[in-house]
Amino acid sequence: DVKVTQSSRYLVKRTGEKVFLECVQDMDHENMFWYRQDPGLGLRLIYFSYDVKMKEKGDIPEGYSVSREKKERFSLILESASTNQTSMYLCASSSSGGHYGYTFGSGTRLTVV
Amino acid sequence: AQSVTQPDIHITVSEGASLELRCNYSYGATPYLFWYVQSPGQGLQLLLKYFSGDTLVQGIKGFEAEFKRSQSSFNLRKPSVHWSDAAEYFCAVGARGNYQLIWGAGTKLIIKP
Repeated sequence: DVKVTQSSRYLVKRTGEKVFLECVQDMDHENMFWYRQDPGLGLRLIYFSYDVKMKEKGDIPEGYSVSREKKERFSLILESASTNQTSMYLCASSSSGGHYGYTFGSGTRLTVV
Repeated sequence: AQSVTQPDIHITVSEGASLELRCNYSYGATPYLFWYVQSPGQGLQLLLKYFSGDTLVQGIKGFEAEFKRSQSSFNLRKPSVHWSDAAEYFCAVGARGNYQLIWGAGTKLIIKP
């Protein structure tokens, strides 16, 4: 069964910590995405990557960075976590053709205290 | 501007009743259209997709959707809902060669016993 795996379901971090959220896909997809989801705000794109070592800013990149050193892995980094980054983080991947939509991971619920 | 509108934030339906969730889009190119479902605390799962051919598409869990180009709509339907259908539903639009999807804000489905 093809999948996108996010390393943690729940994470609690302290303000100011550097936080790494990891995402791995086994579908050989070219594109990978990081979203955050907050009540009433829907899905907001943070960053995406269409190839290894390539990245593009989404709608809300401030306070985040990403890394894609291998095709299957896309990491989201919170350089200095703040309480307003408490959220559900969703990783997704897709093939370059666009026909099949995205495959999502189960999400990481991050709480910054 | 490209956009997806899901006009209903919440919908309440009695178990066994029929369901229709609305989705309207504004998109310059010939669209690919998707419906996803998100159970509480989970990632998003693809219900169905349309990119060409028959405008009535069948998906998983007994859902179907109809693409109406003249109305720029892609409404999701189910003839008889079950309590397990309680979830949030997202409509999304993309296009051939464009790996980014545009997302609706979601509709939360509540099932009355």
